[in-house]
Amino acid sequence: RKEVEQDPGPFNVPEGATVAFNCTYSNSASQSFFWYRQDCRKEPKLLMSVYSSGNEDGRFTAQLNRASQYISLLIRDSKLSDSATYLCVVDYNNNDMRFGAGTRLTVKP
Amino acid sequence: GAGVSQSPSNKVTEKGKDVELRCDPISGHTALYWYRQSLGQGLEFLIYFQGNSAPDKSGLPSDRFSAERTGGSVSTLTIQRTQQEDSAVYLCASSPLGGRYGYTFGSGTRLTVV
Repeated sequence: RKEVEQDPGPFNVPEGATVAFNCTYSNSASQSFFWYRQDCRKEPKLLMSVYSSGNEDGRFTAQLNRASQYISLLIRDSKLSDSATYLCVVDYNNNDMRFGAGTRLTVKP
Repeated sequence: GAGVSQSPSNKVTEKGKDVELRCDPISGHTALYWYRQSLGQGLEFLIYFQGNSAPDKSGLPSDRFSAERTGGSVSTLTIQRTQQEDSAVYLCASSPLGGRYGYTFGSGTRLTVV
């Protein structure tokens, strides 16, 4: 089993749609969780951290479910500019951060 | 500088040659990571430096790969006797205190072995 697994997609949604991605992780002792965004041929950029109580940043909501060992990212009212690959990142073992392979999102007009 | 700086941005080398990739992290960031990303693939962890501690080299794919970090700042990733499967984008990232505060990535070095 991979340490961090994501549905690779692609997710193709119309503008204004709500879309959700899930990511599962294998190490129950993992402490830190993040979502990164990576545009084509660019480096990943931190989108948001994921806190135990869940957190929201504008149209983006991140949640953590420790019991089931998954994190989620919800994007509301999606924009064309949201098209990118979204990477789930988990603190695997004392600062050894492991990345999921990414979920590709395409928002269409 | 304000961000993580990597050089060169592109490197084309012949199979069997050695290459050196450089990373200059954000000033004050104690943690430095190297990843590589093949076309259309996810990120593959290579090596992690934290302060003056011994680096975590568990991700290095073979003994042809090595990395140093001098003075707790600049890092160099060296690939000896390059092979075509080494072709990828090599990304460096730094973080203030390990990964708990997220990483900032450099724009990467695109390595092509011909």
